[in-house]
Amino acid sequence: AQSVTQLDSQVPVFEEAPVELRCNYSSSVSVYLFWYVQYPNQGLQLLLKYLSGSTLVKGINGFEAEFNKSQTSFHLRKPSVHISDTAEYFCAARAGGTSYGKLTFGQGTILTVHP
Amino acid sequence: NAGVMQNPRHLVRRRGQEARLRCSPMKGHSHVYWYRQLPEEGLKFMVYLQKENIIDESGMPKERFSAEFPKEGPSILRIQQVVRGDSAAYFCASSPSTSGTHYNEQFFGPGTRLTVL
Repeated sequence: AQSVTQLDSQVPVFEEAPVELRCNYSSSVSVYLFWYVQYPNQGLQLLLKYLSGSTLVKGINGFEAEFNKSQTSFHLRKPSVHISDTAEYFCAARAGGTSYGKLTFGQGTILTVHP
Repeated sequence: NAGVMQNPRHLVRRRGQEARLRCSPMKGHSHVYWYRQLPEEGLKFMVYLQKENIIDESGMPKERFSAEFPKEGPSILRIQQVVRGDSAAYFCASSPSTSGTHYNEQFFGPGTRLTVL
């Protein structure tokens, strides 16, 4: 069974500062990893995904994440945040090697960007 | 191409009533997933359906909850005899049926927020 842990429930940062949102997963099989963003009262939007290949994945809105198999981590980073990045961020995992299947989500990290 | 549609966006029910939540996947998507987000929690998988088939219902409560995805029309999540603990946001997601740029991705709808009085 898979599990996903997001180590920080809330992360406050100032505008233009760098940010890292941490995510660890556990899985006995290969895994696909995703980061989603949720703005208030909206659905989830995919930021980026890791399926295979290069461990550094670039996504939308200037976000990137690095897959680290030895540390079972998939941390999300952005070098300079904007006020508009304020939202809740979810890390998710799915069994690899298949085209479909359920996502297992972390508990979410609320990112608050202060002016 | 319209995104995943869910209706209603907000639904209020009294204890003991039935709730019906609808999800229309994106055009060309024949895989539908339902997730539930309880207050202060992440999303939890409920059920995965393809047209006319339930593929994985390992996250569905054993009683009162059911889901379908008929050959024609939207997917329906049905909750009978709702209780206060059913109050949550229910999200539907869909996946494309064929390979392409967005293969392996799930696209989420805006959710239905159910309040049980």
